Amino acid sequence: AQSVSQHNHHVILSEAASLELGCNYSYGGTVNLFWYVQYPGQHLQLLLKYFSGDPLVKGIKGFEAEFIKSKFSFNLRKPSVQWSDTAEYFCAVIFYNNNDMRFGAGTRLTVKP
Amino acid sequence: ETGVTQTPRHLVMGMTNKKSLKCEQHLGHNAMYWYKQSAKKPLELMFVYSLEERVENNSVPSRFSPECPNSSHLFLHLHTLQPEDSALYLCASSLSPQGKDGYTFGSGTRLTVV
Repeated sequence: AQSVSQHNHHVILSEAASLELGCNYSYGGTVNLFWYVQYPGQHLQLLLKYFSGDPLVKGIKGFEAEFIKSKFSFNLRKPSVQWSDTAEYFCAVIFYNNNDMRFGAGTRLTVKP
Repeated sequence: ETGVTQTPRHLVMGMTNKKSLKCEQHLGHNAMYWYKQSAKKPLELMFVYSLEERVENNSVPSRFSPECPNSSHLFLHLHTLQPEDSALYLCASSLSPQGKDGYTFGSGTRLTVV
């Protein structure tokens, strides 16, 4: 079955620390990949997306993600986090044989000032 | 605001009530979706409408009934719900009918079933 896995439920970092959140999916075919962020009390916002081309994708607010096809991974990174990055982060995948977007369970990021 | 508007923002209903959630988008998008967001669980896709036709019903209980009268509006009719149906219900839309360009989400309706 096609699925999306986020390995970390809750990550706690201090400001200026580097961030990497893992995302893996199970499917050997073509995919579109997304990271969404949900700040407390707010709607899901798109951080970045990958369709094709350069596997290193740059998004908003200094985030980037790298698609590694051989590892079925699309990890999210940020070199230096800020307190305002405290939020829940969701990895999402559209599998090309489906008409819908599947989400991981989310990773809650807490950044301590 | 994202361009996808959901009302009401909060809803408390009894198990014997009938209520409806509304979603509206004026982005010119061609597909609309209902998701359920429960604590510590992945977002669960409930329904997909593409070009106003239902294309997927993800084994959702019949106490949830969607309606898409036109490309800008999507409803979720609720009746005889259970306490475990309490969750945040999210509506989303996408430009392409297959949604492969990504979705725009509304702020959700926080539903509590008592």
